[in-house]
Amino acid sequence: GEDVEQSLFLSVREGDSSVINCTYTDSSSTYLYWYKQEPGAGLQLLTYIFSNMDMKQDQRLTVLLNKKDKHLSLRIADTQTGDSAIYFCAERSGYSTLTFGKGTMLLVSP
Amino acid sequence: EAGVVQSPRYKIIEKKQPVAFWCNPISGHNTLYWYRQNLGQGPELLIRYENEEAVDDSQLPKDRFSAERLKGVDSTLKIQPAELGDSAVYLCASSSSPGGGRSYTFGSGTRLTVV
Repeated sequence: GEDVEQSLFLSVREGDSSVINCTYTDSSSTYLYWYKQEPGAGLQLLTYIFSNMDMKQDQRLTVLLNKKDKHLSLRIADTQTGDSAIYFCAERSGYSTLTFGKGTMLLVSP
Repeated sequence: EAGVVQSPRYKIIEKKQPVAFWCNPISGHNTLYWYRQNLGQGPELLIRYENEEAVDDSQLPKDRFSAERLKGVDSTLKIQPAELGDSAVYLCASSSSPGGGRSYTFGSGTRLTVV
């Protein structure tokens, strides 16, 4: 079945860039997503990329997709303490169900 | 536009008791999903509805879990009887079908604690 893998933890200093990586196995993925989850809260959609794209930029967020290697990354420029949260990578295949990774905890220190 | 609305926000029950969660999707979204998120994990699909039809319930533990989506709008998810291992966050999501991208929206979830 489909599988999505992420590193579990990332620590950066405020003002630095953060890069969160994700790998997936389903070659038929149509969309790939990044969600943010703060403590006790639901999932907030940050950005998504269609599988025929290589890159998408949205303000401080840059998503890179290497479809050949099934590798997705999320770069957050000028990381702020408010960016501290858990970030989930998810892939969506034909039947619209999302398969999530276990999440990467991002800790931003002042 | 109102988002996906779930209630209750929190629920604490004793094991073997029944519990129900309610979800109101975004207006016009035909597809509704129930996901379960265990502590330290990503969400996993329990059931997917297209309008009022459950089209994927392969991951729903049918011995104790049931769901319904009357009139293809609101949905309820029920557990009877609850077990300690059912403690988790239950998330509802909706999407426009055959939509994609931003149309996939999650509610805030119901945090269930079984004691």
